[in-house]
This record gives sequence, structure tokens and C-alpha cells, in this order.
Amino acid sequence: QVQLVESGGGVVQPGGSLRLSCAASGFTFSNYGMHWVRQAPGKGLEWVTFIQYDGSNKYYADSVKGRFTISRDNSKNTLYLQINSLRAEDTAVYYCAKCDGYYSPRYYYMDVWGKGTTVTVSS
Amino acid sequence: DIVMTQSPASLAVSLGERATINCKSSQSVLYSSNNKNYLAWYQQKPGQSPKLLIYWASTRESGVPDRFSGSGSGTDFTLTISSLQAEDVAVYYCQQYYSTPITFGQGTRLEIK
Repeated sequence: QVQLVESGGGVVQPGGSLRLSCAASGFTFSNYGMHWVRQAPGKGLEWVTFIQYDGSNKYYADSVKGRFTISRDNSKNTLYLQINSLRAEDTAVYYCAKCDGYYSPRYYYMDVWGKGTTVTVSS
Repeated sequence: DIVMTQSPASLAVSLGERATINCKSSQSVLYSSNNKNYLAWYQQKPGQSPKLLIYWASTRESGVPDRFSGSGSGTDFTLTISSLQAEDVAVYYCQQYYSTPITFGQGTRLEIK
């Protein structure tokens, strides 16, 4: 079945860095765009970034632009999120989600979600 | 940015009764070239990740019970649960994917009365 498994979260000091990973299985990863969405403790959902199926187009929320970098390795069926210059407000559960758009350069809704990985920024 | 505003923030409905959640976008999410509303609804149960319920404003995702339905166009949308079941207790979010940044409503918490 279609599955997304995030990893790489942890506790990090302000200003620190982390790389999150999302391992995909059960579908042809290289044919679909992917999103990262985060959820701060007790808060709602916040879209973070999207990458096109072949990695050629990327979009970011203003709140993370210049600090976060999305990438993918289609040979490994893995999505990444490099997070730099971490701030307290980046504390959240980070979900990767599959975009329902076959070979599409455009972003759409998220039809499959992982269980998330928790990032805590604290000194 | 397109701002998504949901109402009410919380809702308590009796089992078997109808639940209605509204979502308003600050600008139209209807794409004129294909006449599609770029609007989705998600359900998030306690301790779980979100689950897609509805996309294109009214298309039910495979496996979603038919008591869930979406309606609306342009800037005003509604998620309706026709007969509330105990397992429907959750927070519901609308989302626009018309333009970036993709934005979500603040969520509506649905409880049993």
C-alpha cells in the first residue's frame, strides 16, 4: 500500500540545523510532486514547501524561504527537507504528503500523508 | 496570500444529526479555464495525521463514506456530514491549492453533543 515514513526529527538548539527524510513506497515516487506540511503543538496545519515530480520546480512558504530547502532523490524514493537557522517557531510535527498530480508541474491537494516527525527547537 | 476562514471554530452535534462546516476564501479559488474549484477538505482525528476527504470542492476521495459531502464555488464552501457518527469526532480543515502559498483554514473541532 502507499506509505510515507518521515524521520530525522529531534531536539535542536536555536540556530541549528536538521535534515528530515521521507521514505516513500507503494507508488511510483518519481511521477508525483511532494509537499511538506507542519503543525505546531496544538495549532493548525501550515504548508511549508512543494517540489515537482522531477525536482525542477520548488515553492516555499515565506516563513521558511531562505532557511529550508526541499529536495528529492527519485532513485532512492526519498524526499528531504533541509532545515537551517532553526527558530523556536519552527517547533512542530513535520508531515510529508504526496501530491495528487501525475507527472504534473503543478501543485495540488495532498492525498497521502505520513505520520510525521517532530522537530523541537529549544535551548 | 489567500486567507481561508472557517466557521464555526467548534461544533457539537448529536449522533445521527447533520453537521455543517463553512469555509470562505478571501479570493475566488475557481479556475476559469477548467471550471474547477481548487478546494480540499481534510479530517484530522486526535493523535493522527490528516486524511483527505474531499477535493475539487465536491469530489469524495475513494473510501470516504458517502455521508461526507462538499459543496460551494468561488469563495464559499461547505462540508456536510449528513448523519454524524461517533468516529467523525475530529478537527476538519479546508485548504486552497489555487495558488501558493497553499493555505488552510484554522480548523473546526467537531464533537458529539
